[in-house]
Amino acid sequence: QLQLQESGPGLVRPSETLSLTCTVSGGSVSSSYYWGWIRQPPGKGLEWIANVYHTGSTSYNPSLKSRVTISIDTSKNQLSLRLSSAIAADTAVYYCARQGGDYARPPFDYWGQGTLVTVSS
Amino acid sequence: DIQMTQSPSSLSASVGDRVTITCRASQSISNYLSWYQQTPGKAPKLLIYGASNLQSGVPSRFSGSGSRTDFTLTITSLQPEDFATYYCQQSYTTPYTFGQGTKLEIK
Repeated sequence: QLQLQESGPGLVRPSETLSLTCTVSGGSVSSSYYWGWIRQPPGKGLEWIANVYHTGSTSYNPSLKSRVTISIDTSKNQLSLRLSSAIAADTAVYYCARQGGDYARPPFDYWGQGTLVTVSS
Repeated sequence: DIQMTQSPSSLSASVGDRVTITCRASQSISNYLSWYQQTPGKAPKLLIYGASNLQSGVPSRFSGSGSRTDFTLTITSLQPEDFATYYCQQSYTTPYTFGQGTKLEIK
């Protein structure tokens, strides 16, 4: 059974870089899927941040593109997210997820449990 | 960006009821529409993909329909565990976008 687990600091100071890791078990980030990050501010809806294909090809939400970097590390079976110049509005639960299934333009079928990141001084 | 608009934003119903949630896209997304269920403190769970395909393990009381810009999620015979927030999401093009959510509450 595929499992995803996010990890990283729960508190980030404004203007610093938010860095998160998602460890994948029960499967490989090298397999032919897209892997992504989605966030959810407290009490609000879901926002797609970025995704990365197993080849390393990336796609970003234009609203965050100038500050975001997504990558995969096949040796550690992980994907990572870096969000620079953090602001209070970046406070959210961050989820990693797989886009998978035998379907074109697939949905997010596996999700991590999420990790709350608070941006505050 | 493609805007996804759900209605209603909240809904009260009773166990055993049939409910329908709608999702409208600001432009045609063919059938690249998914539905997710989220309970408090948990990650979203995929229910429906491709507008009408039931994800493995999801009860058959959940169904989806629609194409192009208008979609519906129907839950027949509501069970206590179905009271949650539901989101639609388009995967037609990036940036992928979600509806604002529909909170289904117990009447």
